[in-house]
Amino acid sequence: GESVGLHLPTLSVQEGDNSIINCAYSNSASDYFIWYKQESGKGPQFIIDIRSNMDKRQGQRVTVLLNKTVKHLSLQIAATQPGDSAVYFCADLDWRANSKLTFGKGITLSVRP
Amino acid sequence: DTAVSQTPKYLVTQMGNDKSIKCEQNLGHDTMYWYKQDSKKFLKIMFSYNNKELIINETVPNRFSPKSPDKAHLNLHINSLELGDSAVYFCASSPMFTGGTGELFFGEGSRLTVL
Repeated sequence: GESVGLHLPTLSVQEGDNSIINCAYSNSASDYFIWYKQESGKGPQFIIDIRSNMDKRQGQRVTVLLNKTVKHLSLQIAATQPGDSAVYFCADLDWRANSKLTFGKGITLSVRP
Repeated sequence: DTAVSQTPKYLVTQMGNDKSIKCEQNLGHDTMYWYKQDSKKFLKIMFSYNNKELIINETVPNRFSPKSPDKAHLNLHINSLELGDSAVYFCASSPMFTGGTGELFFGEGSRLTVL
């Protein structure tokens, strides 16, 4: 079946550095992707999304890149801050399956002071 | 003002018991969801409702029964609890069923521990 997954379970970065979180997906028909952030003890929170007709989208300090050729997307966080420490999930929305949102495995981002 | 609120936040119970988790959203959204997050943080959809109508039932055991009395509420009742039901259950809502964004608004979760 289709799956959305992340390459590494944990990522440790120095405060102020840029972070890159990677995600692979297997469903070639996926056309809409989302990144979520989950802080400890809280529910996931929407960060940024991207549609398949784009290869890059920027938000505030975050950029999502989509490479459809290799079915890969990434989340880049500029000037990582302690408040960025959380679990990050990529997800894809399948319009054909009643808009089901499928999450990949989470990756923990830990920011070193 | 809490947008999506779940109660209780923590629930500890014995195997075989029946328990319920309640969810309410004050965002005026049409669609609500239940997700289960296991100990490895994996998030899996269980159910979605659009305007009180069941849309997604993701092969969840019959022991789980969602109920939506109105579009602002989606409750989850679990019968005959098993050890494997221990998890954090998240309620979420979104403004549109189709054609919208993938932005779901999640509650803070209800941690269920089955002993």
